[in-house]
Amino acid sequence: DAKTTQPPSMDCAEGRAANLPCNHSTISGNEYVYWYRQIHSQGPQYIIHGLKNNETNEMASLIITEDRKSSTLILPHATLRDTAVYYCIVEGDMRFGAGTRLTVKP
Amino acid sequence: GAGVSQTPSNKVTEKGKYVELRCDPISGHTALYWYRQSLGQGPEFLIYFQGTGAADDSGLPNDRFFAVRPEGSVSTLKIQRTERGDSAVYLCASSQGLAGYTDTQYFGPGTRLTVL
Repeated sequence: DAKTTQPPSMDCAEGRAANLPCNHSTISGNEYVYWYRQIHSQGPQYIIHGLKNNETNEMASLIITEDRKSSTLILPHATLRDTAVYYCIVEGDMRFGAGTRLTVKP
Repeated sequence: GAGVSQTPSNKVTEKGKYVELRCDPISGHTALYWYRQSLGQGPEFLIYFQGTGAADDSGLPNDRFFAVRPEGSVSTLKIQRTERGDSAVYLCASSQGLAGYTDTQYFGPGTRLTVL
């Protein structure tokens, strides 16, 4: 089984922030958390990764709890093109799990 | 620059046949990964190469599946005696291989395999 758990689906209104949670309670102290997304019929696309500090790039922000047992991917202003399946994985574990299907609605 | 490419994009074969799926990683990437993805599921890890050697092949489901990367660049996934259950999208990814097991992976578009 994957080392991460995510809700199977979420909806978000266009223009609003999308907050996608991920639990990784068995993560080791030096393992990074990676986020990818997969738009229909395409290969997964890297979004962001982090170790313990919050991270931000042009695509998203990543908030990691102090105990590192969970994280949240934030898309600050979701658009219809952000509709995809979002996966979080732990470094060293190749198992993606089923991810969260995010639907951004107009 | 060029991303990861996979050929063919679609492959239809008959049960019992042999197939080869090709992956061209990003130039200079030493790590290469194969996954397969069934409808509605996340990618399922198959094998990971670091250079020419398979560093982890624990995801290969049985001995009908084999992968090579003889020169540390292009990789071929080989499936013998295909079964209908092998039908899936086969994804390839590459990474720089500098940060160990899973530094940032760049995925190809996949090969959709259909076994009739």
